[in-house]
Amino acid sequence: DTGVSQNPRHKITKRGQNVTFRCDPISEHNRLYWYRQTLGQGPEFLTYFQNEAQLEKSRLLSDRFSAERPKGSFSTLEIQRTEQGDSAMYLCASSLRQGGLETQYFGPGTRLLVL
Amino acid sequence: GENVEQHPSTLSVQEGDSAVIKCTYSDSASNYFPWYKQELGKRPQLIIDIRSNVGEKKDQRIAVTLNKTAKHFSLHITETQPEDSAVYFCAATPLNTGNQFYFGTGTSLTVIP
Repeated sequence: DTGVSQNPRHKITKRGQNVTFRCDPISEHNRLYWYRQTLGQGPEFLTYFQNEAQLEKSRLLSDRFSAERPKGSFSTLEIQRTEQGDSAMYLCASSLRQGGLETQYFGPGTRLLVL
Repeated sequence: GENVEQHPSTLSVQEGDSAVIKCTYSDSASNYFPWYKQELGKRPQLIIDIRSNVGEKKDQRIAVTLNKTAKHFSLHITETQPEDSAVYFCAATPLNTGNQFYFGTGTSLTVIP
């Protein structure tokens, strides 16, 4: 499978614990996005990277959330001191921005449940 | 920032009928409008997209129309089939000046055999 992959697919944690998710984009894609999706809603933008640089973060993103893309390939999203409201599907998408054109491809997501 | 609204939230059609989903956007700088289909428990998948220099685009049973003046765009599915049942999301982004993709809240389409 040469598409976007995410690990783990499911995560159950207790409130207050830290969790980390990983996203492996399509190899030639230079952009990587993180989204959060709750039931009945569309994906909500969290942050994005162009290569290794984090260029934009949502104002809604709490300081408990941090993301990295150290070598411009895979990315990690960490949530510290998880809260029940963090329960959601976390989606990663990658794209190739070229000549003003861009198409995003989504990964399967990591479903987080905070007890 | 951009605000994308999507209607209806749920839609049921008989197999073979057409389905139309509509989205409006607020930022006139938005110039790229993709549509995604998400089946239960699966990732969103791009099914069609349109750029602002085009008014209509068609791919077999799926078509998208864009009215830049009114800031709305629509997804049209003809000759619906049960496998078209899914949640559909529209999105908008100003590709040249911004980087965020703004998504609608989704339309749950059910095609009744």
